[in-house]
Amino acid sequence: SQQGEEDPQALSIQEGENATMNCSYKTSINNLQWYRQNSGRGLVHLILIRSNEREKHSGRLRVTLDTSKKSSSLLITASRAADTASYFCATGGNTGGFKTIFGAGTRLFVKA
Amino acid sequence: DTAVSQTPKYLVTQMGNDKSIKCEQNLGHDTMYWYKQDSKKFLKIMFSYNNKELIINETVPNRFSPKSPDKAHLNLHINSLELGDSAVYFCASSPQRGFGGELFFGEGSRLTVL
Repeated sequence: SQQGEEDPQALSIQEGENATMNCSYKTSINNLQWYRQNSGRGLVHLILIRSNEREKHSGRLRVTLDTSKKSSSLLITASRAADTASYFCATGGNTGGFKTIFGAGTRLFVKA
Repeated sequence: DTAVSQTPKYLVTQMGNDKSIKCEQNLGHDTMYWYKQDSKKFLKIMFSYNNKELIINETVPNRFSPKSPDKAHLNLHINSLELGDSAVYFCASSPQRGFGGELFFGEGSRLTVL
């Protein structure tokens, strides 16, 4: 079964607005990662947050992790049309062995 | 230079045929993966090799057979293709073996079975 589940499934916003995507997972993890997938392309790694970290920043991206709630959020600030893509959370941990397990993704559409 | 490259990018074939997808990475990584992405965008791991050794073999029909001639290459051969095999297949590599290290993906190979 899928480990991570993103919410919402789809999100449409205006350029300049912030976009928040959430991810919930079921078992203990070592780290949680976010990836972006543009239409028809491969996934690109955005950011990794370890289980002992609560927040991490990278440019316009902010990721939070709450291991007590088994959830993470990805915030994209001042969104641009080029941010239009699907965003996936992925978990890596002791459960499941040497695997990174992906959620179903959030489809973000940023209108210019 | 493309880090993880897959060929072919598109593959259209008839049911019952056998096909292969090739993957090569020039990142010097020891670990490589095959993932399958279905029409709903679910991404599911199929296989993983570490330095030519199979380390992950998910519940995948044995019509799917991976082969790793060296640590830079991981190919996927599919026998007796079925309609349900239609999907995008992604190759990925990682610099570390375990516990969800960062993955570097190829651009995908879209397989359509008619």
